[in-house]
Amino acid sequence: DQQVKQNSPSLSVQEGRISILNCDYTNSMFDYFLWYKKYPAEGPTFLISISSIKDKNEDGRFTVFLNKSAKHLSLHIVPSQPGDSAVYFCAADNAGGTSYGKLTFGQGTILTVHP
Amino acid sequence: GAGVSQSPSNKVTEKGKDVELRCDPISGHTALYWYRQSLGQGLEFLIYFQGNSAPDKSGLPSDRFSAERTGGSVSTLTIQRTQQEDSAVYLCASSLLAGFSTDTQYFGPGTRLTVL
Repeated sequence: DQQVKQNSPSLSVQEGRISILNCDYTNSMFDYFLWYKKYPAEGPTFLISISSIKDKNEDGRFTVFLNKSAKHLSLHIVPSQPGDSAVYFCAADNAGGTSYGKLTFGQGTILTVHP
Repeated sequence: GAGVSQSPSNKVTEKGKDVELRCDPISGHTALYWYRQSLGQGLEFLIYFQGNSAPDKSGLPSDRFSAERTGGSVSTLTIQRTQQEDSAVYLCASSLLAGFSTDTQYFGPGTRLTVL
């Protein structure tokens, strides 16, 4: 029933190393994928997105990879910084349809970056 | 400029009472969304507004939930006869354009609702 899944509730990495957050989806109609970051007591903020016509999108330290055949995407953060410690949500949408931006979110992964 | 604001930030109510949650979107944003996040879950879509109309109410969990938007700006989510399973963080988001999935949604800090 959960169409977007983040199977790792938490991830801990050392400052300067790579953080890899994973996300799986089941709905083949999804064609637009996003990552949001959330700090405590704040709303989620948009981080990076990717359309299904691409397999990679990069923005500074953040890169999102999409594997359509596996229905899997991942977010790489290199190098990780303590300020990256937050909850990361994967989200998906059928942008080519009529969803009006009705995003379907995963459960989130808590990333902790240790100094 | 100001971001999306929501009030109250916290609301504790007794089972059976009605509650109203308010969202002030970013000025000029046409689209407004309500989501909720229950404990251990991801954000769940509730309703979408395009201007003052709501073309997609598919996420409202029951007829106890209703929402309105006035003047193309402020939105109120009302939950009648609250139940314990309504306890969650209710988040509002707005985006500049209406009906474009790729338009960035900006979220407010949420209202944490606790039903005793």
